[in-house]
Amino acid sequence: EAGVTQSPTHLIKTRGQQATLRCSPISGHTSVYWYQQALGLGLQFLLWYDEGEERNRGNFPPRFSGRQFPNYSSELNVNALELEDSALYLCASSLARNTIYFGEGSWLTVV
Amino acid sequence: GENVEQHPSTLSVQEGDSAVIKCTYSDSASNYFPWYKQELGKGPQLIIDIRSNVGEKKDQRIAVTLNKTAKHFSLHITETQPEDSAVYFCAASPNTNAGKSTFGDGTTLTVKP
Repeated sequence: EAGVTQSPTHLIKTRGQQATLRCSPISGHTSVYWYQQALGLGLQFLLWYDEGEERNRGNFPPRFSGRQFPNYSSELNVNALELEDSALYLCASSLARNTIYFGEGSWLTVV
Repeated sequence: GENVEQHPSTLSVQEGDSAVIKCTYSDSASNYFPWYKQELGKGPQLIIDIRSNVGEKKDQRIAVTLNKTAKHFSLHITETQPEDSAVYFCAASPNTNAGKSTFGDGTTLTVKP
């Protein structure tokens, strides 16, 4: 069974640009979570999508947004990129808010 | 909100020795406590979890203990091997949503051959 898949693996953007990251959950999972992991730091909860709706968001500015598609895949958009947005962005999925499973992450570098 | 503290931040052991990582949490409503292993350049992988109705859980060389009264839980790795070297994260969450876990800051475990 395929795990959580994320794309792209690496992304380099210039300050002020927009970045879009994508995530495909484990088949059958309806919830998708996004986390930010800055270099050397822990995981910070960003967003939670369930059944196509945004259910909760962490303490991040509105320029971090996303959506969940009917097939439960999701994308994370980061607008007006700042240097401190450089981080590993992790997607995770779960079934019925139970145990979560992480993808390998997307490295975003803002220069 | 929930606050999770994890200690130590770094841990170095000799191959074959045991390693113990401890976490404390603040929210008495938390009742799901997973542990994740993150290897360099990869996403976190769930290695073991425990729910509040259980005091201890073991899976081969890995065990987790939970003391709900004291609000702390620990990861124990016995007979450590070099491939156990990684960053380990603890987390705490309400049973209603494991995805809304609050994570500790991580422990970098190095197992020296």
